[in-house]
Amino acid sequence: EAGVAQSPRYKIIEKRQSVAFWCNPISGHATLYWYQQILGQGPKLLIQFQNNGVVDDSQLPKDRFSAERLKGVDSTLKIQPAKLEDSAVYLCASSSTQPLHEQYFGPGTRLTVT
Amino acid sequence: AQSVAQPEDQVNVAEGNPLTVKCTYSVSGNPYLFWYVQYPNRGLQFLLKYITGDNLVKGSYGFEAEFNKSQTSFHLKKPSALVSDSALYFCAVRPLDAGNNRKLIWGLGTSLAVNP
Repeated sequence: EAGVAQSPRYKIIEKRQSVAFWCNPISGHATLYWYQQILGQGPKLLIQFQNNGVVDDSQLPKDRFSAERLKGVDSTLKIQPAKLEDSAVYLCASSSTQPLHEQYFGPGTRLTVT
Repeated sequence: AQSVAQPEDQVNVAEGNPLTVKCTYSVSGNPYLFWYVQYPNRGLQFLLKYITGDNLVKGSYGFEAEFNKSQTSFHLKKPSALVSDSALYFCAVRPLDAGNNRKLIWGLGTSLAVNP
């Protein structure tokens, strides 16, 4: 089966600019996650979708970050305006609805804010 | 607070020697336990998981992990390390009370270096 797709792979922007990331999960996976991974740290969950509904966005900085999954398939994560501390790898993952199932990750988008 | 600890930032082993990457956790109940690997410039890959049953679980690439309930540990092991095993390893735990929210608690990662 095809894996989780993400684009772009790399992005460099200046602070205060906006940026958007795209994710296409594994076909049939109802649950989609966005993580932020800062160098040297573990992944931090930003938002979790179940189909097109938000399950958990408690760690999403809502003043600048937004995410949507309108048709319950692919998803976009947006940052506006970006700050220097947003420099990180943004990982998208998906899993099936079965609670025992593991998450499958995309290759990530490396964001550099200058 | 619930947490996952990977006490070693880096582990160095010689090729052909056994390796162990340690993980301990502090969560309520009997959680689900996972190991993921991250190769340079790539996303996280699932290695193995413990849900219930036999305390020794086998996963991808010859890795295995041993669940120890009394020590709340889930150490990753491999009998004979390969240079290609060099990567960043993450332990993650999903508390059983997570409900519909399958939120994982992640360790900070352990960098494994296998020397030829």
